[in-house]
Amino acid sequence: QKEVEQNSGPLSVPEGAIASLNCTYSDRVSQSFFWYRQYSGKSPELIMSIYSNGDKEDGRFTAQLNKASQYVSLLIRDSQPSDSATYLCAVNSRTGRRALTFGSGTRLQVQP
Amino acid sequence: NAGVTQTPKFQVLKTGQSMTLQCAQDMNHNSMYWYRQDPGMGLRLIYYSASEGTTDKGEVPNGYNVSRLNKREFSLRLESAAPSQTSVYFCASSEVGTPYEQYFGPGTRLTVT
Repeated sequence: QKEVEQNSGPLSVPEGAIASLNCTYSDRVSQSFFWYRQYSGKSPELIMSIYSNGDKEDGRFTAQLNKASQYVSLLIRDSQPSDSATYLCAVNSRTGRRALTFGSGTRLQVQP
Repeated sequence: NAGVTQTPKFQVLKTGQSMTLQCAQDMNHNSMYWYRQDPGMGLRLIYYSASEGTTDKGEVPNGYNVSRLNKREFSLRLESAAPSQTSVYFCASSEVGTPYEQYFGPGTRLTVT
């Protein structure tokens, strides 16, 4: 079992819809969870971090964390074509010392 | 404020050649990391440095060495490149006060023939 799992996609949504991206993790002691956006040929860009159960909103983005179910999700409201990218879920790893374990990413396509 | 910078952007090596990838950050971060990214594999940690003067192995350290030259700079060396090391290499850094939030450089695309 991978430590951090994501559906590779592509997830295709129409412009203006809500995109829902999901991630599960295996290490129950993980405390920090992140979503990175990566455009093709570019580096990962941090867009959301969440540390406690519940929802965290930032503009059109909402991160949701459920530690009991070992599940973290990212909702993108009013999706735009510019949101088309690969979204990486990251979790603090067993090695500690601020190292992260990344999922392989979900590719999102927003159709105009 | 350039953030995290990496050089070179692209490199082609022949099998057995050596090279050093350079990384520097101007955010006064204590921790720095090297990752590689391969299609379908996500980002995998090669080495990291929790603070100046310390380095530790990550998930895939074989074939690589690192040097934390000072607080700003963290280099990755391939002593004898192999085709399996063809990848995109990213350097990242993080601060002590914001746990695990890492910021990435633009990457180096390396091809070993």
